[in-house]
This record gives sequence, structure tokens and C-alpha cells, in this order.
Amino acid sequence: GQNIDQPTEMTATEGAIVQINCTYQTSGFNGLFWYQQHAGEAPTFLSYNVLDGLEEKGRFSSFLSRSKGYSYLLLKELQMKDSASYLCAVRVDSGTYKYIFGTGTRLKVLA
Amino acid sequence: NAGVTQTPKFRVLKTGQSMTLLCAQDMNHEYMYWYRQDPGMGLRLIHYSVGEGTTAKGEVPDGYNVSRLKKQNFLLGLESAAPSQTSVYFCASRGRRGAPANEKLFFGSGTQLSVL
Repeated sequence: GQNIDQPTEMTATEGAIVQINCTYQTSGFNGLFWYQQHAGEAPTFLSYNVLDGLEEKGRFSSFLSRSKGYSYLLLKELQMKDSASYLCAVRVDSGTYKYIFGTGTRLKVLA
Repeated sequence: NAGVTQTPKFRVLKTGQSMTLLCAQDMNHEYMYWYRQDPGMGLRLIHYSVGEGTTAKGEVPDGYNVSRLKKQNFLLGLESAAPSQTSVYFCASRGRRGAPANEKLFFGSGTQLSVL
């Protein structure tokens, strides 16, 4: 089976740091992805991890531990525009590139 | 560069009616996907295609059919719509394996479908 878990909602203050966790149990693993989705809009790509460790991209960083089936997305210097849902996804098949998504974490950034 | 375009953006159907959702991409992508997104359920894969003329079932394929007659287009059909198919539908595409830039999915803007 395929199971990807994320917290449903998180709240943080503008300027702060927030960490969104994702745990997965999937039949295959070929990469862990994070997408951002603003209300009423399409998801947009944020980051991609295929090897263990931290990938940094500006204010956003993503970490992966394959042995623990665990990833997190770290958002620094939060801005109001970061209020959105954050979707964790696993590519489960290297041949057909099937992606399985978690239910998403809705982040509210307060002034 | 339009990217991934979905039509229509909104549609209301009566139970039993049929319709086709069109997804078109202009990035010469090999892989295309149809997802549905429901509150509390996240994105669920309906069908996908790894190339022109090929399709495969995803997690929730029942009640849907797809076709990929041209590389740039991926059609999702509902033969007899049911209220349980009320959802937001997203199409996505990605390029061939190789370049890191091809690893990400590009999404269309979505279709809000209501079945009464």
C-alpha cells in the first residue's frame, strides 16, 4: 500500500521559521517532492530530494531520510504570501513516474 | 509559452450525463497525468500516460476513461457522471527522464466539476 502522512494544519507568525513534516510508507521510492498550492490555484514545484540530506533553495529547504521514510520542508523568514497548502509527494515508480501525494498541510501565516 | 492548459475551467453536470475534459501541453512532455483533488483527500491519481498512444490506471480509475491520441493532448472522459465525481480535476505533465529540470510536474489550472 501507499501511505503519506502530513499534519493537516499549522500556524506560524510572519518572520518566523516553520517545519512541515512528511512520513511515507510506499511500495517504491524514486524521489520526494514538495509542492506549494495557494487556494484555488494549481500546485507549483518547490523542491526535490532523491538522496539523503538537505537541499536548500533560498528561504526554502527540504530534508530527506530514506531509512526513516521521513522528510521535512523548512520555511524561513515567513511571509504572508507563504500562506498556502504544502503537498508532499513520492515518486513510486522509476519507469512510469507515478507520483503519490499526501493530503497536504495548510499553513497560515499570521501578522 | 502556455504550459499546461485545461478546458473547461468550470462545469455543472446532471447525474448520468457525459463529458470530456481536455488537457493540452506545449512542452513536448512524454508523461501526462490526471488527478482529482477532494477536501481532506489530497491529490489522487486517476489515469496516466507514459507516451502517445499509451494509458494506464492510477489509484481511482473507476468511472473514468482516457485517451492520448496525440502527444500534446490527454483527454479524461466521464461516460455517466455521478455525484461522487464532484471534484477539482488537475492535469499534469513532465518531461523525459534525464535532465534534473524534467523531474518536476507542471500542473494545469484545474477544472471544477459539479455533478448534481
